[in-house]
Amino acid sequence: AQKVTQAQTEISVVEKEDVTLDCVYETRDTTYYLFWYKQPPSGELVFLIRRNSFDEQNEISGRYSWNFQKSTSSFNFTITASQVVDSAVYFCALRPYNFNKFYFGSGTKLNVKP
Amino acid sequence: NAGVTQTPKFQVLKTGQSMTLQCAQDMNHEYMSWYRQDPGMGLRLIHYSVGAGITDQGEVPNGYNVSRSTTEDFPLRLLSAAPSQTSVYFCASSYLPGSRTEASYGYTFGSGTRLTVV
Repeated sequence: AQKVTQAQTEISVVEKEDVTLDCVYETRDTTYYLFWYKQPPSGELVFLIRRNSFDEQNEISGRYSWNFQKSTSSFNFTITASQVVDSAVYFCALRPYNFNKFYFGSGTKLNVKP
Repeated sequence: NAGVTQTPKFQVLKTGQSMTLQCAQDMNHEYMSWYRQDPGMGLRLIHYSVGAGITDQGEVPNGYNVSRSTTEDFPLRLLSAAPSQTSVYFCASSYLPGSRTEASYGYTFGSGTRLTVV
């Protein structure tokens, strides 16, 4: 069975604080991809990152960083020095390697207050 | 601009009416899919297609039909609308899994259709 859990329904922080969004997944596949998407208030879904299961290196892109740990089946997303424009719903998703079906978490709503 | 185009953006239907949500992409993606987004439930797959003439069911296919006559288009049909189908619908496309060109982008999503069934 495939499942993605985002236990944090909503998080509120003050601008410039760091914030980590948690993602825990379940899969029996040995090869898979993990994704993060951002959904701002305007409603569109914006691709942020893809990570494959055999590459556990952490990744940093500007203020964004991702921590992938196969041992705990987690793919957490950290925003450093948050900004009001980071306010959005963030989705974590899992995709088995040879199958194009995505399994999405229920999303975490991030509110960044000025 | 290249991308996924969904129409309409908003729609109100009466129970029992039928309609078609349109989705078109110009990126030559083999894979296309429809998701619905409901509060607290993330996105759930309705139907998908891996190429023209090939479609298959996702998690929540009941009440919906799809067809894929061309690579570019993947319309979603509601046969007899019900209030439970009130949702935001997203169309998404990508290259097939394992292809090199699919490596960096995951899905490309349309901007969504907000459907209300009264």
